[in-house]
Amino acid sequence: QKEVEQNSGPLSVPEGAIASLNCTYSDRGSQSFFWYRQYSGKSPELIMFIYSNGDKEDGRFTAQLNKASQYVSLLIRDSQPSDSATYLCAVGLPGSTLGRLYFGRGTQLTVWP
Amino acid sequence: SAVISQKPSRDICQRGTSLTIQCQVDSQVTMMFWYRQQPGQSLTLIATANQGSEATYESGFVIDKFPISRPNLTFSTLTVSNMSPEDSSIYLCSVSLQGARETQYFGPGTRLLVL
Repeated sequence: QKEVEQNSGPLSVPEGAIASLNCTYSDRGSQSFFWYRQYSGKSPELIMFIYSNGDKEDGRFTAQLNKASQYVSLLIRDSQPSDSATYLCAVGLPGSTLGRLYFGRGTQLTVWP
Repeated sequence: SAVISQKPSRDICQRGTSLTIQCQVDSQVTMMFWYRQQPGQSLTLIATANQGSEATYESGFVIDKFPISRPNLTFSTLTVSNMSPEDSSIYLCSVSLQGARETQYFGPGTRLLVL
């Protein structure tokens, strides 16, 4: 059984702070990892993807991957109220049809002014 | 990215009936997928819609319940058959773009309520 685990939250941070979102996965063969943001009542939108160990930065977002620990995280710097959403961690199945993803349950983030 | 539309956007259906959901993409894409998001839950992959061949279903999902068509590279349908209240969910199609390895974009979703 492939599993993707996230802290359900809610996570609440003040505006301007760093929000840290964490995710662990069970399948050691997984090679691709994604973070999606989902506003209430909307469909998920891709924020970042990461394939290699280490950090990947894109604007205020940094994804971190540690395959040995089967751990992926998302840091949001200078958090804004508009970042308030549910963040979904997704893992690509190893050796399978490209695009088959397993999702975690999501972490609800609230950024208060 | 790709522009993805779904029809209907929402529907209320009676138990025992079937609903067909359409997904249209504004460009040709290799891979199309159907997901389900039940209330308060995350996304669960139902199947991969293969152009020109039968869909590939994930564990727990069967063709008789969720028949899928993919007549071309821009269009797919998902039918939810013989519905029960447990099928109440948001159904989303998604696409992977060539050259964007396993990066997926989601349609707006179809909100289904079964009474």
